[in-house]
Amino acid sequence: EIVLTQSPTTTAASPGEKVTITCLASSSVSNMYWYQQKSGASPKLLIYSTSSLASGVPDRFSGSGSGTSYSLTINTMEAEDAATYYCQQWSSNPLTFGSGTKLEIK
Amino acid sequence: QVTLKESGPGILQPSQTLSLTCTFSGFSLSTYGMGVGWIRQPSGKGLEWLANIWWDDDKYYNPSLKNRLTISKDTSNNQAFLKITNVDTADTATYYCARTYNYFDYWGQGVMVTVSS
Repeated sequence: EIVLTQSPTTTAASPGEKVTITCLASSSVSNMYWYQQKSGASPKLLIYSTSSLASGVPDRFSGSGSGTSYSLTINTMEAEDAATYYCQQWSSNPLTFGSGTKLEIK
Repeated sequence: QVTLKESGPGILQPSQTLSLTCTFSGFSLSTYGMGVGWIRQPSGKGLEWLANIWWDDDKYYNPSLKNRLTISKDTSNNQAFLKITNVDTADTATYYCARTYNYFDYWGQGVMVTVSS
């Protein structure tokens, strides 16, 4: 099983600040996917195939990486971006999620 | 417009079988490449993938629960199903179904399931 380790576990950013969340895989994966989950809501797809923005997602979000190291970047933090973010892989079975990064607004 | 909605018993007792239904619209599980997955989330915790079923009836299960899971579909009625046998309090969670490629692009609202004696 590929274990995905996200860092940081929790972080806070001021409006306008740049935020980077990292996802490290225990083995190489071909692609990474990212989800945003706001309190009380279902997860929402943000990034697919490592760097492609899902429909309707603001372009302040971006994804990058390869092999075992991937990242999600919010270029300019907004209050509505406060949420928990999860990475996900399915390069090998079973599909796994990272444990999540909680992002708060300062 | 793609929508999914989960339904389930709400509460059940330990050792019982949990039966969940995902009713969806806006896509067909007979379309090449299409899949539906089940994911759960205990309150305050992270996401755990359970199982997936594909347009060709191929099925994948999380090996940590594989012996307890059965996923199936009714293509004509746009539904997918998940059964979990011999439930325990550790199965208390919100259960989501989601449309799948190699990722989940549309999610249902989730259904809360409590296992309690």
